Amino acid sequence: EDKVVQSPLSLVVHEGDTVTLNCSYEVTNFRSLLWYKQEKKAPTFLFMLTSSGIEKKSGRLSSILDKKELFSILNITATQTGDSAIYLCAVSLSGAGSYQLTFGKGTKLSVIP
Amino acid sequence: NAGVTQTPKFRILKIGQSMTLQCTQDMNHNYMYWYRQDPGMGLKLIYYSVGAGITDKGEVPNGYNVSRSTTEDFPLRLELAAPSQTSVYFCASSYSESQPQHFGDGTRLSIL
Repeated sequence: EDKVVQSPLSLVVHEGDTVTLNCSYEVTNFRSLLWYKQEKKAPTFLFMLTSSGIEKKSGRLSSILDKKELFSILNITATQTGDSAIYLCAVSLSGAGSYQLTFGKGTKLSVIP
Repeated sequence: NAGVTQTPKFRILKIGQSMTLQCTQDMNHNYMYWYRQDPGMGLKLIYYSVGAGITDKGEVPNGYNVSRSTTEDFPLRLELAAPSQTSVYFCASSYSESQPQHFGDGTRLSIL
């Protein structure tokens, strides 16, 4: 059975801290790994990773994939209260009929002033 | 662009009632999806569609039906609502199976 595990499940930090969120996976026919940020409503797309060792970066957020060890990390530097959200990791599979994303349970990040 | 639009945002149903959750997208995406999200759980795929007239079951399809008569619309139907269907429902779309999925704001459904 395909599995995506995120850790920690919740995290409380102070503004200005740097955080690292983890996502490990066990799937057949891996295509890509995606990170989403979910505040009160829709998950919003952050990154899609397909190749090992290539860092994707957007402002204070960055992510990298290790296809050998089957995990990804999402880093947030100089955290702000607006970073408070649930961060979802999902894996996309390749192959016939593999259209769904397999999601982890998410990491709830709370940034306090 | 509005992106993916879901209606209604909230709904309370009685056991045994039926209803349709609406989803429309204006990005001309061929692929559309319905997920449910339960507290503390990841999103689970209910149904998906790869184009008008083509739908297929996802991981948790029991108790639901879908149709796809146009590229833009992908409604989800609950025929006989049960308490286990209390959840937040998300519709998503993507240009292809290898492109990121973009989500609507969700419909919070309670069945009492």
